[in-house]
Amino acid sequence: SQTIHQWPATLVQPVGSPLSLECTVEGTSNPNLYWYRQAAGRGLQLLFYSVGIGQISSEVPQNLSASRPQDRQFILSSKKLLLSDSGFYLCAWSPPYNEQFFGPGTRLTVL
Amino acid sequence: RKEVEQDPGPFNVPEGATVAFNCTYSNSASQSFFWYRQDCRKEPKLLMSVYSSGNEDGRFTAQLNRASQYISLLIRDSKLSDSATYLCVVVTSGTYKYIFGTGTRLKVLA
Repeated sequence: SQTIHQWPATLVQPVGSPLSLECTVEGTSNPNLYWYRQAAGRGLQLLFYSVGIGQISSEVPQNLSASRPQDRQFILSSKKLLLSDSGFYLCAWSPPYNEQFFGPGTRLTVL
Repeated sequence: RKEVEQDPGPFNVPEGATVAFNCTYSNSASQSFFWYRQDCRKEPKLLMSVYSSGNEDGRFTAQLNRASQYISLLIRDSKLSDSATYLCVVVTSGTYKYIFGTGTRLKVLA
């Protein structure tokens, strides 16, 4: 069966510091991968998605970036965090047009 | 107009009640539809897919109305454990983007 891992579970970072969140999927190949952010009490905002190694589509202009160095690895990064980057970051995978499955998420607080 | 819209609620219902949520979508090319459940401070989890002919899973029934561009979720015999936020999700044909509604909050009261 397929599983999706995200780490860390929680993170507290100062403004201006870098960020790297990692997501890996097991038990499937060539998944579509997604990064979402959910602000407190808000809906899910799609940040990036990838349909293959090295292929990244960005949905929202911001100081974040994503990379997919391997088929089942998706990384979310920032060179300098802003206060507004605080939120619940969720990684998800899916076969095309089928259900998405989410990782447990990373709760990021930028101080 | 938002691509996917839901009534944010909250819906406060007694145990055993039947409750229904609607979700409207704006893109007529949408082709896949899902309902997710999200508990507080947790990741969304798939509740059920929504098929054109409608589908049922235990106490949960999902319906799709393409003409009016909405999907619905009916929960019968509500349990305390059904308390959560319910998210509808729409995927448009030709894209890989899953568009989430902002969710409808349900609170089942003892």
